[in-house]
Amino acid sequence: EIVLTQSPGTLSLSPGERATLSCRASQSVSSSYLAWYQQKPGQAPRLLVYGTSSRATGIPDRFSGSGSGTDFTLTISRLESEDFAVYYCQQYGTSAWTFGQGTKVEIK
Amino acid sequence: EVQLVQSGAEVKKPGESLKISCKGSGYSFTSYWIGWVRQMPGKGLEWMGIIYPGDSDTRYSPSFQGQVTISVDKSITTAYLQWSSLKASDTAIYYCGRATTSFDFWGQGTLVTVSS
Repeated sequence: EIVLTQSPGTLSLSPGERATLSCRASQSVSSSYLAWYQQKPGQAPRLLVYGTSSRATGIPDRFSGSGSGTDFTLTISRLESEDFAVYYCQQYGTSAWTFGQGTKVEIK
Repeated sequence: EVQLVQSGAEVKKPGESLKISCKGSGYSFTSYWIGWVRQMPGKGLEWMGIIYPGDSDTRYSPSFQGQVTISVDKSITTAYLQWSSLKASDTAIYYCGRATTSFDFWGQGTLVTVSS
């Protein structure tokens, strides 16, 4: 089973700043099979990015994904108030889906 | 509009059985996998298992194999997650999601509380 490790655990930033979230896999992941989600308190997760870099429907272009192999990144170019939340990466491989443990982006 | 609507919150005692549901609408229900994800209080997301309504092909995470059963009734476009004997450690929010290689639509979640 592929294990995803996200860092940092918590990111303290101010609105307008750039956020860089990391997701490292224990084995190589196909770029087609890496996704990112946002979850706010009391809400279901929301798909942000799939296939490493494709934004889901309705996701603003301040969210971008990149990476390959075992290292993937979600970047939020300029944080807005509604972006403070928990972010999870997820991979699919050999009929199994796994999630990272999450990165919390909090207001500094 | 794609929608996944889950059944309501449950409060159960240890040892009791439970079946929760996830009804899909607004898309071809038999053409997409439906997965289940657990979120324990204050914790992250854990993939439990997945089913393909077209042929009921089912896969489980090794962590949940034998602990839960996933099923589907495609005639009413509904997927299910069930337990035969609940434990206190099953207390969590359970989400269903429409899946390809990612989960593009999610249900609202079902809170399951297991307490004596």
